[in-house]
Amino acid sequence: GNSVTQMEGPVTLSEEAFLTINCTYTATGYPSLFWYVQYPGEGLQLLLKATKADDKGSNKGFEATYRKETTSFHLEKGSVQVSDSAVYFCALGTSGYSTLTFGKGTMLLVSP
Amino acid sequence: SQTIHQWPATLVQPVGSPLSLECTVEGTSNPNLYWYRQAAGRGLQLLFYSVGIGQISSEVPQNLSASRPQDRQFILSSKKLLLSDSGFYLCAWNSGQTSTPYEQYFGPGTRLTVT
Repeated sequence: GNSVTQMEGPVTLSEEAFLTINCTYTATGYPSLFWYVQYPGEGLQLLLKATKADDKGSNKGFEATYRKETTSFHLEKGSVQVSDSAVYFCALGTSGYSTLTFGKGTMLLVSP
Repeated sequence: SQTIHQWPATLVQPVGSPLSLECTVEGTSNPNLYWYRQAAGRGLQLLFYSVGIGQISSEVPQNLSASRPQDRQFILSSKKLLLSDSGFYLCAWNSGQTSTPYEQYFGPGTRLTVT
């Protein structure tokens, strides 16, 4: 079956530090990959996506590249801000009834 | 543009009481609809999904049920709540018409506390 594995948090960084949150997946077929962000007390927001191998998704300074050879979709940002503090979820979708498989989420805490 | 609403935003209910959470989507037709639960400090658990009116699929056996009485309305219910039903309930939708049919759009959530 499909599965997503994310690094456990919390990830604690100082403002302007470089961020990497690892995500690896197992899936049948050719999944689409997503990163969602959840701010405290809110629903999930789609941060970025990639639909095929070697695609790079990017948004708000965040980037992730779909690596089929390593089955990975690591999230990166060059310089984090306090406002980036949130929980980040990696997810994949495959053909069928359009459900998504989510990782357990990684909490990011950025201090000034 | 499309928007998704959930209510209530927060709810405190005693054990054994009934539950009804509502989700509605505006600005689209025939969406796929999803109910997730997020327990404290944990990831998302898919509870139900629906691809059309009256069509409900359950992912996890539990004392919850879902219904879709209208195209853009999705309701989560329980006859008798358990303490373990506490959590953050999220509704989501997507459309098979987009170039990436699998991305989902989430509502603001309902925080349920069972006491």
